[in-house]
Amino acid sequence: EEQLLESGGGLVQSGGSLRLSCAASGFTFSSYAMSWVRQAPGKGLEWVSVISGNGATAYYSDLVKGRFTISRDNSKNTLYLQMSSLRAEDTAVYYCAKDSMAFSESWGQGTLVTVSS
Amino acid sequence: DIQLTQSPSFLSASVGDRVTITCRASQGISSSLAWYQQKPGKAPKLLIYSASTLQSGVPSRFSGSGSGTEFTLTISSLQPEDFATYYCQQVIGYPRSFGQGTRLEI
Repeated sequence: EEQLLESGGGLVQSGGSLRLSCAASGFTFSSYAMSWVRQAPGKGLEWVSVISGNGATAYYSDLVKGRFTISRDNSKNTLYLQMSSLRAEDTAVYYCAKDSMAFSESWGQGTLVTVSS
Repeated sequence: DIQLTQSPSFLSASVGDRVTITCRASQGISSSLAWYQQKPGKAPKLLIYSASTLQSGVPSRFSGSGSGTEFTLTISSLQPEDFATYYCQQVIGYPRSFGQGTRLEI
């Protein structure tokens, strides 16, 4: 059974940094692009970033470009999101997702990031 | 960047009703559109991809159509478990984007 398990969320001060992780199991991790999507409290879904299966290519939302870095370790079946210069508006549940043909077909349960100002 | 606009934002319906949700793109996106369902406190679930292809395991009462700039999600006969929020997403380019969501309630 495919499983995605996010971790690393928590409370951080404005301007601080945090690294999220997403541990994958049940599928050949290196064969799939992986995405991060976030959802602010009571708001809709917002796409954050995507990385190719081999880690060579990544794309970002304009809102996080230059502050967030997506990466992956295929030997550990783990996806990461390094977040820096955090702002109050980055407060959200962050989901990792497995992409197939660019569509996010499997999702983790999410991890909450709260940025205090 | 491509913007997606869903309508309506809120929909009240009853069990057994047929409902349709529309998603309009600010520019043509061919068939590069997905629909997701999200229930409170849960992760989104992929329902339909490539505008009209039903994801494995999704009931056949869900269907999608459209191409270019206008897309629809139809639920042919609402079931109690279908009351949720629905989002469209375009994947033709970067940054990817979601619609603002349609909340379907009784």
